[in-house]
Amino acid sequence: IAGITQAPTSQILAAGRRMTLRCTQDMRHNAMYWYRQDLGLGLRLIHYSNTAGTTGKGEVPDGYSVSRANTDDFPLTLASAVPSQTSVYFCASSDGGLGRTEAFFGQGTRLTVV
Amino acid sequence: AQSVTQLDSQVPVFEEAPVELRCNYSSSVSVYLFWYVQYPNQGLQLLLKYLSGSTLVKGINGFEAEFNKSQTSFHLRKPSVHISDTAEYFCAVSGMGTGFQKLVFGTGTRLLVSP
Repeated sequence: IAGITQAPTSQILAAGRRMTLRCTQDMRHNAMYWYRQDLGLGLRLIHYSNTAGTTGKGEVPDGYSVSRANTDDFPLTLASAVPSQTSVYFCASSDGGLGRTEAFFGQGTRLTVV
Repeated sequence: AQSVTQLDSQVPVFEEAPVELRCNYSSSVSVYLFWYVQYPNQGLQLLLKYLSGSTLVKGINGFEAEFNKSQTSFHLRKPSVHISDTAEYFCAVSGMGTGFQKLVFGTGTRLLVSP
């Protein structure tokens, strides 16, 4: 079982360009999440989806968009990248909304915006 | 809303010594508490969690944590660390209740185990 697969693993992106980070899970979890990890700030929630067809904003959603067309995929799009979006991005999933249930994380995408 | 404070950004320790990583939280409602570990260049994985019941929780790799409601703490301990325990450790909290419950992370504590 692969769990959560993120692609690409790393990317250098020119400012102003559009970029989609991919996330696929094979655990049939209904909930999925995108976090960014920055030194000294821990992990911050960008967007989440409780179930296919619904999405919600986390604590740092500006400059990012998501979609959830099906259970398995939860892509994160940067419409016009800026240097402050340089970060490590983690996709996660859980069987139910985060609360009692464990979150499973992908390996991360290291994004550098120059 | 919930928040988590991990006071120590880095904890150096010698192999086979005991270690405690501190975590304090704040919340206006009852909470669930978690510790996640992140090994270099990897994602996070669950170490242990407190949902209810016994305040002493045992996790993987010999770690344990104790929930102290009066002190709003959930410190992580291991009686004897190994080199392989070198990693970043994150405390996290989520509120109890209906609807979506956000998992809020602390800023992390880097455990450095040396021989």
